[in-house]
Amino acid sequence: AQSVSQHNHHVILSEAASLELGCNYSYGGTVNLFWYVQYPGQHLQLLLKYFSGDPLVKGIKGFEAEFIKSKFSFNLRKPSVQWSDTAEYFCAVNAGAGNMLTFGGGTRLMVKP
Amino acid sequence: NAGVTQTPKFQVLKTGQSMTLQCAQDMNHNSMYWYRQDPGMGLRLIYYSASEGTTDKGEVPNGYNVSRLNKREFSLRLESAAPSQTSVYFCASSSQQGLGTKNIQYFGAGTRLSVL
Repeated sequence: AQSVSQHNHHVILSEAASLELGCNYSYGGTVNLFWYVQYPGQHLQLLLKYFSGDPLVKGIKGFEAEFIKSKFSFNLRKPSVQWSDTAEYFCAVNAGAGNMLTFGGGTRLMVKP
Repeated sequence: NAGVTQTPKFQVLKTGQSMTLQCAQDMNHNSMYWYRQDPGMGLRLIYYSASEGTTDKGEVPNGYNVSRLNKREFSLRLESAAPSQTSVYFCASSSQQGLGTKNIQYFGAGTRLSVL
């Protein structure tokens, strides 16, 4: 069964700091990868996705993620965070047709103004 | 655009009570899903419906039933609520039929359920 690990459960940063959130999955075949964000009191929204091609994908609000197949990783990055980035971030993996979308446990990010 | 609409937003139940969570989408999507979100565990799939008239179990189906009433609506029922079902429940939908590889799922705002 596929699994997704997000190593950082809580991250606190000051505005303008750089962000990197880790995501690792356990599946050796072809995968499709997603990052979702949940702002306080809101529903989950798609931040970015990787299906194929350039392993460096760019999403909304200045976020990007890099797929490193050899490391089974899909880390999320942002060069300079803002207070409005305070949210919970979920990595999710779909390992092929017929498989469920599996979510990591989430990382709660707090950005101090 | 309403997207995915869930009702109610909040609910408190006593152990043993029953209730139905409602979900509707206006994007003409084929597939719909119910998840529960618990701290530190991400979202776990309860049931899904690949198309109108079909439903299948997900990762944590015990204690729940679902109905795909039509293409728009997918309800989740708790027949006899237990404290372990205290959670936030999310409904989602996607255009592709079934558990496809490139399913982008769109989520509702959630229902926060407490079972006392």
